[in-house]
Amino acid sequence: KAGVTQTPRYLIKTRGQQVTLSCSPISGHRSVSWYQQTPGQGLQFLFEYFSETQRNKGNFPGRFSGRQFSNSRSEMNVSTLELGDSALYLCASSLGGVPGELFFGEGSRLTVL
Amino acid sequence: KNEVEQSPQNLTAQEGEFITINCSYSVGISALHWLQQHPGGGIVSLFMLSSGKKKHGRLIATINIQEKHSSLHITASHPRDSAVYICAVRYGGSQGNLIFGKGTKLSVKP
Repeated sequence: KAGVTQTPRYLIKTRGQQVTLSCSPISGHRSVSWYQQTPGQGLQFLFEYFSETQRNKGNFPGRFSGRQFSNSRSEMNVSTLELGDSALYLCASSLGGVPGELFFGEGSRLTVL
Repeated sequence: KNEVEQSPQNLTAQEGEFITINCSYSVGISALHWLQQHPGGGIVSLFMLSSGKKKHGRLIATINIQEKHSSLHITASHPRDSAVYICAVRYGGSQGNLIFGKGTKLSVKP
Protein backbone atom coordinates (compact mmCIF):
# COMPACT_ATOMS: atom_id res chain seq x y z
CA LYS A 1 0.00 0.00 0.00
CA ALA A 2 1.55 3.30 -1.07
CA GLY A 3 2.24 5.86 1.63
CA VAL A 4 1.53 9.57 1.65
CA THR A 5 3.11 11.27 -1.34
CA GLN A 6 4.10 14.91 -1.36
CA THR A 7 5.28 16.83 -4.39
CA PRO A 8 7.52 18.57 -5.07
CA ARG A 9 10.09 17.46 -2.49
CA TYR A 10 12.26 20.54 -2.87
CA LEU A 11 11.62 23.94 -4.36
CA ILE A 12 13.13 27.39 -4.40
CA LYS A 13 11.05 30.53 -4.86
CA THR A 14 11.63 34.24 -4.57
CA ARG A 15 9.79 36.71 -2.38
CA GLY A 16 6.43 37.73 -3.74
CA GLN A 17 5.88 34.55 -5.74
CA GLN A 18 3.28 31.96 -4.93
CA VAL A 19 3.65 28.22 -4.48
CA THR A 20 1.37 25.19 -4.62
CA LEU A 21 2.20 21.96 -2.83
CA SER A 22 0.44 18.66 -3.39
CA CYS A 23 -0.36 15.77 -1.09
CA SER A 24 -1.76 12.39 -2.08
CA PRO A 25 -3.04 10.48 0.95
CA ILE A 26 -2.98 6.75 1.55
CA SER A 27 -5.70 5.05 -0.46
CA GLY A 28 -8.94 5.07 1.52
CA HIS A 29 -7.91 7.90 3.81
CA ARG A 30 -10.32 10.82 3.70
CA SER A 31 -8.61 13.30 6.01
CA VAL A 32 -5.54 15.34 5.11
CA SER A 33 -3.82 17.80 7.40
CA TRP A 34 -0.94 20.19 6.73
CA TYR A 35 1.88 21.36 8.97
CA GLN A 36 4.76 23.81 8.81
CA GLN A 37 8.07 22.98 10.46
CA THR A 38 10.79 25.57 11.05
CA PRO A 39 13.86 25.48 13.32
CA GLY A 40 12.51 28.38 15.37
CA GLN A 41 8.83 27.49 15.77
CA GLY A 42 8.95 23.73 15.42
CA LEU A 43 5.87 22.00 14.05
CA GLN A 44 2.73 24.07 13.64
CA PHE A 45 -0.70 23.01 12.42
CA LEU A 46 -1.92 24.75 9.26
CA PHE A 47 -5.27 23.18 8.38
CA GLU A 48 -7.17 19.94 8.10
CA TYR A 49 -9.56 18.74 5.42
CA PHE A 50 -12.10 15.98 5.50
CA SER A 51 -14.36 15.09 2.57
CA GLU A 52 -13.43 18.27 0.69
CA THR A 53 -14.32 20.51 3.66
CA GLN A 54 -11.90 22.41 5.84
CA ARG A 55 -12.50 21.02 9.28
CA ASN A 56 -9.97 23.06 11.19
CA LYS A 57 -7.50 25.87 10.71
CA GLY A 58 -4.39 26.94 12.60
CA ASN A 59 -3.21 30.45 13.32
CA PHE A 60 -1.70 31.40 9.97
CA PRO A 61 -2.38 34.41 7.75
CA GLY A 62 -4.80 34.25 4.84
CA ARG A 63 -1.87 33.87 2.43
CA PHE A 64 -1.95 30.21 3.39
CA SER A 65 -4.83 28.32 1.85
CA GLY A 66 -5.71 24.81 0.90
CA ARG A 67 -8.27 22.61 -0.67
CA GLN A 68 -9.16 18.96 -0.98
CA PHE A 69 -10.45 17.22 -4.06
CA SER A 70 -13.05 14.49 -4.37
CA ASN A 71 -10.30 11.84 -4.58
CA SER A 72 -8.97 13.12 -1.20
CA ARG A 73 -5.83 14.58 -2.73
CA SER A 74 -5.04 17.96 -1.23
CA GLU A 75 -3.15 21.04 -2.23
CA MET A 76 -1.93 23.96 -0.20
CA ASN A 77 -1.06 27.34 -1.62
CA VAL A 78 1.04 30.15 -0.22
CA SER A 79 0.72 33.47 -1.97
CA THR A 80 3.03 36.48 -1.80
CA LEU A 81 5.87 34.46 -0.34
CA GLU A 82 7.98 35.92 2.46
CA LEU A 83 11.45 34.87 3.61
CA GLY A 84 9.89 33.51 6.80
CA ASP A 85 7.82 31.03 4.80
CA SER A 86 10.97 28.97 4.21
CA ALA A 87 10.17 25.71 5.93
CA LEU A 88 9.45 22.03 5.63
CA TYR A 89 5.77 21.57 4.81
CA LEU A 90 4.38 18.22 5.87
CA CYS A 91 1.07 16.65 5.19
CA ALA A 92 -0.49 13.73 6.98
CA SER A 93 -3.45 11.56 6.19
CA SER A 94 -5.79 9.60 8.41
CA LEU A 95 -8.85 7.49 7.83
CA GLY A 96 -11.13 10.38 8.72
CA GLY A 97 -14.29 10.82 10.67
CA VAL A 98 -12.93 10.92 14.21
CA PRO A 99 -9.27 12.00 13.95
CA GLY A 100 -7.00 9.03 14.37
CA GLU A 101 -3.46 7.92 13.75
CA LEU A 102 -1.56 10.19 11.41
CA PHE A 103 0.53 8.99 8.49
CA PHE A 104 3.02 11.60 7.34
CA GLY A 105 4.57 12.27 3.96
CA GLU A 106 8.25 13.06 3.53
CA GLY A 107 7.53 16.76 3.21
CA SER A 108 8.16 19.56 0.74
CA ARG A 109 11.12 21.74 1.60
CA LEU A 110 10.50 25.31 0.48
CA THR A 111 13.27 27.88 0.33
CA VAL A 112 12.28 31.50 -0.27
CA LEU A 113 15.09 33.80 -1.49
CA LYS B 1 -2.74 29.44 26.41
CA ASN B 2 -2.61 25.81 25.35
CA GLU B 3 0.94 24.60 25.69
CA VAL B 4 2.86 21.36 25.38
CA GLU B 5 6.08 21.03 27.34
CA GLN B 6 8.58 18.26 26.69
CA SER B 7 11.58 17.25 28.74
CA PRO B 8 14.40 16.80 28.38
CA GLN B 9 15.22 18.83 25.27
CA ASN B 10 18.30 16.74 24.59
CA LEU B 11 19.20 13.28 25.81
CA THR B 12 22.31 11.19 25.28
CA ALA B 13 22.26 7.56 26.31
CA GLN B 14 24.43 4.49 26.03
CA GLU B 15 23.15 1.54 24.06
CA GLY B 16 21.00 -0.67 26.24
CA GLU B 17 19.84 2.04 28.63
CA PHE B 18 16.21 2.62 29.59
CA ILE B 19 15.00 6.00 28.33
CA THR B 20 12.09 8.18 29.42
CA ILE B 21 10.81 11.27 27.64
CA ASN B 22 8.13 13.37 29.29
CA CYS B 23 5.28 15.50 27.96
CA SER B 24 3.02 17.82 29.95
CA TYR B 25 0.04 19.79 28.72
CA SER B 26 -2.14 22.47 30.22
CA VAL B 27 -5.82 21.71 29.60
CA GLY B 28 -8.04 18.78 28.77
CA ILE B 29 -7.28 16.97 25.54
CA SER B 30 -9.01 14.42 23.37
CA ALA B 31 -5.85 12.61 22.24
CA LEU B 32 -2.06 12.66 22.53
CA HIS B 33 0.37 11.56 19.83
CA TRP B 34 3.98 10.50 20.08
CA LEU B 35 5.92 11.03 16.85
CA GLN B 36 9.45 10.12 15.77
CA GLN B 37 11.43 12.22 13.31
CA HIS B 38 14.73 11.07 11.85
CA PRO B 39 17.27 13.41 10.23
CA GLY B 40 15.97 14.32 6.79
CA GLY B 41 12.50 15.08 8.01
CA GLY B 42 10.28 12.02 7.75
CA ILE B 43 7.86 11.67 10.66
CA VAL B 44 6.48 8.37 11.90
CA SER B 45 3.56 8.09 14.27
CA LEU B 46 4.49 5.89 17.22
CA PHE B 47 1.38 6.06 19.38
CA MET B 48 -1.96 7.76 19.73
CA LEU B 49 -3.33 7.72 23.28
CA SER B 50 -6.40 8.99 25.05
CA SER B 51 -5.97 6.97 28.24
CA GLY B 52 -3.87 4.25 29.85
CA LYS B 53 -0.86 2.64 28.29
CA LYS B 54 0.25 1.26 24.94
CA LYS B 55 3.21 -0.93 24.02
CA HIS B 56 4.82 -1.63 20.69
CA GLY B 57 8.03 -3.62 20.71
CA ARG B 58 10.55 -1.80 22.91
CA LEU B 59 8.42 1.33 23.11
CA ILE B 60 5.86 2.04 25.81
CA ALA B 61 3.66 5.12 26.07
CA THR B 62 1.60 6.06 29.11
CA ILE B 63 -0.78 8.91 29.81
CA ASN B 64 -2.17 10.23 33.10
CA ILE B 65 -5.25 12.32 32.31
CA GLN B 66 -5.61 13.71 35.84
CA GLU B 67 -2.00 14.89 35.97
CA LYS B 68 -2.02 16.00 32.30
CA HIS B 69 1.19 14.11 31.67
CA SER B 70 2.46 11.46 29.28
CA SER B 71 5.70 9.52 29.10
CA LEU B 72 7.42 7.66 26.30
CA HIS B 73 9.75 4.88 27.40
CA ILE B 74 12.31 3.07 25.29
CA THR B 75 13.68 -0.16 26.73
CA ALA B 76 17.06 -1.57 25.69
CA SER B 77 17.86 1.50 23.61
CA HIS B 78 19.76 1.11 20.35
CA PRO B 79 21.64 3.60 18.13
CA ARG B 80 18.84 3.32 15.55
CA ASP B 81 16.52 4.90 18.14
CA SER B 82 18.46 8.15 17.70
CA ALA B 83 15.90 10.67 16.48
CA VAL B 84 13.75 13.56 17.61
CA TYR B 85 10.67 12.50 19.56
CA ILE B 86 7.72 14.87 19.43
CA CYS B 87 4.62 14.97 21.59
CA ALA B 88 1.45 16.44 20.09
CA VAL B 89 -1.92 16.97 21.74
CA ARG B 90 -5.35 17.57 20.30
CA TYR B 91 -7.29 20.21 22.20
CA GLY B 92 -10.90 21.24 21.84
CA GLY B 93 -12.50 17.87 21.29
CA SER B 94 -12.00 15.36 18.52
CA GLN B 95 -12.11 18.11 15.87
CA GLY B 96 -9.60 20.32 17.66
CA ASN B 97 -6.20 21.57 16.56
CA LEU B 98 -2.96 19.69 17.11
CA ILE B 99 -0.40 21.48 19.25
CA PHE B 100 3.17 20.20 19.19
CA GLY B 101 5.93 20.11 21.74
CA LYS B 102 9.41 21.31 20.77
CA GLY B 103 10.72 17.77 20.63
CA THR B 104 13.37 15.75 22.47
CA LYS B 105 16.55 15.00 20.55
CA LEU B 106 17.77 11.54 21.53
CA SER B 107 21.23 10.25 20.72
CA VAL B 108 22.07 6.66 21.61
CA LYS B 109 25.80 5.84 21.58
CA PRO B 110 27.05 2.32 20.84
